[in-house]
Amino acid sequence: DAGVIQSPRHEVTEMGQEVTLRCKPISGHNSLFWYRQTMMRGLELLIYFNNNVPIDDSGMPEDRFSAKMPNASFSTLKIQPSEPRDSAVYFCASSGMGPSSGANVLTFGAGSRLTVL
Amino acid sequence: GNSVTQMEGPVTLSEEAFLTINCTYTATGYPSLFWYVQYPGEGLQLLLKATKADDKGSNKGFEATYRKETTSFHLEKGSVQVSDSAVYFCALSRLAGGTSYGKLTFGQGTILTVHP
Repeated sequence: DAGVIQSPRHEVTEMGQEVTLRCKPISGHNSLFWYRQTMMRGLELLIYFNNNVPIDDSGMPEDRFSAKMPNASFSTLKIQPSEPRDSAVYFCASSGMGPSSGANVLTFGAGSRLTVL
Repeated sequence: GNSVTQMEGPVTLSEEAFLTINCTYTATGYPSLFWYVQYPGEGLQLLLKATKADDKGSNKGFEATYRKETTSFHLEKGSVQVSDSAVYFCALSRLAGGTSYGKLTFGQGTILTVHP
């Protein structure tokens, strides 16, 4: 398996532009997570999905952020409009089903580094 | 709510030194505990885990024991290498119903630098 695939790896954009980050989870995993990492705030859980359904989006900073999971193999995190304070590394992670298969073990993608000027 | 507290870093050691990174947690019920490692420019990787009290997780020479009485999960390694230089995250996950399933709460991370 190629692991969790994220794109783009790096994105530089100007304030006010729309940003879309993409994630392909590991095949067969039924939970998907979006995290944000900054020096100031560490790792923050933004939202997570179980079986393509958003379960907890309490970490989404504000209405400028939205996430979708239209099918089991794809998710997007969108920021519109973007602001400089959104600059961070955004990680996608996925996990499998049931405690016997290690549902608590998250596999992370390599991250998307976003810089908003 | 659930929370994880790690010792403040950064930690700088010489090769072959003994490593301890402290981690304590607050949680209701019986969480699972994890250590993840992040190498420069990469995502987090699971290093080891423990799912119940007194369990010891181990991997690549690293060990951590789930201590319920002290609510701790300290990471140790007897002899570190330069290649162990990374950021280490302690985390917990509470298996309590579907909505908590797999959701991790992370500590703030500890930067480890090992010099030759």
